[in-house]
Amino acid sequence: EVQLVESGGGLVQPGESLRLSCAASGFTFIDYWMHWFRRAPGKGLLWLSRIDSDGSGTIYADSVKGRFTISRDNAKNTLYLHMNSLRAEDTAVYYCSRGSYYHFDYWGQGALVTVSS
Amino acid sequence: QSALTQPPSASGSPGQSVTISCTGTSSDIGTYNYVSWYQQHPGKAPKLMIYEVSKRPSGVPDRFSGSKSGNTASLTVSGLQAEDEADYYCTSYTGIYIWLFGGGTKLTVL
Repeated sequence: EVQLVESGGGLVQPGESLRLSCAASGFTFIDYWMHWFRRAPGKGLLWLSRIDSDGSGTIYADSVKGRFTISRDNAKNTLYLHMNSLRAEDTAVYYCSRGSYYHFDYWGQGALVTVSS
Repeated sequence: QSALTQPPSASGSPGQSVTISCTGTSSDIGTYNYVSWYQQHPGKAPKLMIYEVSKRPSGVPDRFSGSKSGNTASLTVSGLQAEDEADYYCTSYTGIYIWLFGGGTKLTVL
């Protein structure tokens, strides 16, 4: 059974950093692109970033480019999202997902990140 | 990177059909047949319902169908059931490994 479990969320102050993790199981992790998304309170889903299967290629939405970094450790079957210079508007539930060609077939339950002083 | 346009709400009675639209541009929906739809119940993870415009993953009821015309994609839910009440999001590949989402449509089963 495919499982994706996010962790690392919490309450941080504006300007601080946080790293989210997404532990994958039930499939061959190295075979798949992986993605991060978020859903802010009262708003819709937003695609944030993609990393290819060996970690050599990454891309970001304009809203997080330069502040967020996606990475993966294929030996640990784990995806990461490093978030720097966090702002109040980054408050959201963050989801990881497995990419299957050009759609997203399995999702984690999400990790809540709250940015507030 | 402007979001795709979805109606904020839709509704129907049990057994009826409802269609949710998703409008993009010639740079996304109009060019790529990589439109997918996701269902999200409150507090739950999104679930893939339709991919590549009209394909259904295994386990998704055939009451859910997708289509596309020009720059607009649509999700139709036939034979509405109470458990279909959820938020629905469309997304389209836009090229250069970037994806856009719609703002979401809250489907209410009356």
